[in-house]
Amino acid sequence: DAKTTQPPSMDCAEGRAANLPCNHSTISGNEYVYWYRQIHSQGPQYIIHGLKNNETNEMASLIITEDRKSSTLILPHATLRDTAVYYCIVRVGRGYQKVTFGTGTKLQVIP
Amino acid sequence: GAVVSQHPSRVICKSGTSVKIECRSLDFQATTMFWYRQFPKQSLMLMATSNEGSKATYEQGVEKDKFLINHASLTLSTLTVTSAHPEDSSFYICSAGDRGPTEAFFGQGTRLTVV
Repeated sequence: DAKTTQPPSMDCAEGRAANLPCNHSTISGNEYVYWYRQIHSQGPQYIIHGLKNNETNEMASLIITEDRKSSTLILPHATLRDTAVYYCIVRVGRGYQKVTFGTGTKLQVIP
Repeated sequence: GAVVSQHPSRVICKSGTSVKIECRSLDFQATTMFWYRQFPKQSLMLMATSNEGSKATYEQGVEKDKFLINHASLTLSTLTVTSAHPEDSSFYICSAGDRGPTEAFFGQGTRLTVV
């Protein structure tokens, strides 16, 4: 699986959009970009994933650059409950398989 | 989404004793489950892959005789930490998915403290 690079931490004001970047410059053509988050002392939660097109669901939007070497997870209106560690993961194919976690980005939403 | 339940959520045990952690898929059948361990301020590390009806596959450096995994049914996998020591204190998390092209769903985790 391709390696990803994320900033270790970010702050975001409550109600504002949180934009979390991820670099995956060695991504292969058949690898998807996944995002998970882990709220303190809980198990990880799936957020969204994509291959090359931008994706949106009820939780977030995923913007993938045209060359697929980076992506941005957007939480449109961050709340205090969005404070968590966000993991960007690149892996082959869809479907259930083991997930290799990096160090992620600790997002702190500030009142 | 699918629900994966872990039990207990928190356990304290004495050194030398064994602790069993259960991971259940509540509304789907999981032929494969994964067990992770997370130390404070660190990321999740995969310990082993649990396959229903067969032996688990352990990651390098994980002692299979210490961390016993049993996946006897399509809805239940158990992790037993044998002869626990304080250095085994950690947050243990399981994940499971059904047979189709779906995502990994994670349990809520078990905080193990060995005293």
